[in-house]
Amino acid sequence: GDSVTQMEGPVTLSEEAFLTINCTYTATGYPSLFWYVQYPGEGLQLLLKATKADDKGSNKGFEATYRKETTSFHLEKGSVQVSDSAVYFCALMGTALIFGKGTTLSVSS
Amino acid sequence: KAGVTQTPRYLIKTRGQQVTLSCSPISGHRSVSWYQQTPGQGLQFLFEYFSETQRNKGNFPGRFSGRQFSNSRSEMNVSTLELGDSALYLCASSLAAQGSIEAFFGQGTRLTVV
Repeated sequence: GDSVTQMEGPVTLSEEAFLTINCTYTATGYPSLFWYVQYPGEGLQLLLKATKADDKGSNKGFEATYRKETTSFHLEKGSVQVSDSAVYFCALMGTALIFGKGTTLSVSS
Repeated sequence: KAGVTQTPRYLIKTRGQQVTLSCSPISGHRSVSWYQQTPGQGLQFLFEYFSETQRNKGNFPGRFSGRQFSNSRSEMNVSTLELGDSALYLCASSLAAQGSIEAFFGQGTRLTVV
């Protein structure tokens, strides 16, 4: 069945460092792909999405490109801030959203 | 416009009891889905309702049930609660049935079973 695998955390970075969170997927066809973010005590917020191969989703300085050749959707940000500290979930849309396990990002000043 | 509203935010129940959680979707959204989030299993899909009909169901026992009303509000019920049902229950709404449109999540209901 469909599945999403993302890198284990936690990821600890200093402010202004470069961020990459790896995400790969297994699916039939070419599903829409998403990154969601969850702040402490909150629900999930959609960070960005891509609906077809080679699409690049971007929001708030975060980017991810839908790569069908490598079945990947890695999340990147050039310069992280303390306020980016949260849990990040990669997901694909099948008959329902299928999520990765989540990656905790901690950014220190 | 208002987001997805889940009530209550926190709930403590005793093993064996039943509980009902409520979700009001974004105005105009007709699809409501429910997810369970636990530290061990992560985020798991429970079920989806669209126009008052269950369209899709995850791999959960029959103790978990739901319904959707004509105004698209949805309720989720868990009967005969077990300790393992302690989790954050998230509701998501979208314009159409899932498969093509992004979902917007509420803040969740934190259920603790003691």
